[in-house]
Amino acid sequence: AQSVTQPDIHITVSEGASLELRCNYSYGATPYLFWYVQSPGQGLQLLLKYFSGDTLVQGIKGFEAEFKRSQSSFNLRKPSVHWGDAAEYFCAVVPDTDKLIFGTGTRLQVFP
Amino acid sequence: DSGVTQTPKHLITATGQRVTLRCSPRSGDLSVYWYQQSLDQGLQFLIQYYNGEERAKGNILERFSAQQFPDLHSELNLSSLELGDSALYFCASSVGPDYTGELFFGEGSRLTVL
Repeated sequence: AQSVTQPDIHITVSEGASLELRCNYSYGATPYLFWYVQSPGQGLQLLLKYFSGDTLVQGIKGFEAEFKRSQSSFNLRKPSVHWGDAAEYFCAVVPDTDKLIFGTGTRLQVFP
Repeated sequence: DSGVTQTPKHLITATGQRVTLRCSPRSGDLSVYWYQQSLDQGLQFLIQYYNGEERAKGNILERFSAQQFPDLHSELNLSSLELGDSALYFCASSVGPDYTGELFFGEGSRLTVL
C-alpha cells in the first residue's frame, strides 16, 4: 500500500547535538517530498521541499534533507539543534499532483 | 504569520450540535484546503476548493460540508457532532490548484465536543 512512514514517534536530543529525522515512502515513482514543522499551538510551516535535481536540499532554520532514491527515504537533518527547534515534524509526499500524504509525525524534545 | 486566518480558535459544543469554522486564505491564494488533526488519526485531508469550485475530496464525512465563497474565504460546516469529531481543524491555502507549491497553514480551530 502507498504510505509515508516516520518510524520515530518521539526523539529527545540535547541542545547543540545533531539531529536526523527519518522518513520513508512507498510509491512507485519519485514523488514530490516535503518537510513541515508544527510548533506548539501553531499551524504547519514548510521547512523544505524536493521536486528534482540536487538530492541534498537546504531549507529554513538551518535544516537540510537528503533524498535517496535507492532507499525511498527523505531524511531531515540539522547539525546543531537549538531549544527552539522543539516541535513536531511532518514528512509529506505528493505521489501525484492531486494528493498530499502526511506522515504521522515525529515529536522532537530538546534538553538544555 | 502565514497570512491564513482561522476563526474561532477554540470552540466547545455538545454532541448533536452544528458548528461552522471559517478560513480566510492568504491574499492571492486561490486554493483552500481543510485538514483534521487528531491524536489517533494524525493529519487527514478533508477537502480542497480552488477558485470557488470543489477540486478534491478526502476523508470527509457526510455530516461535514464546506464551500468557498466568491471572496475566496471558506467555511467548513460540521453537523450532528459526535465525541470523535473533537480535533484540531486546519485550513491551508496555496496559489495554484495542485500540491506542487507550498501550502500555508492557519493556526487551526480546536473543536471540543462534550
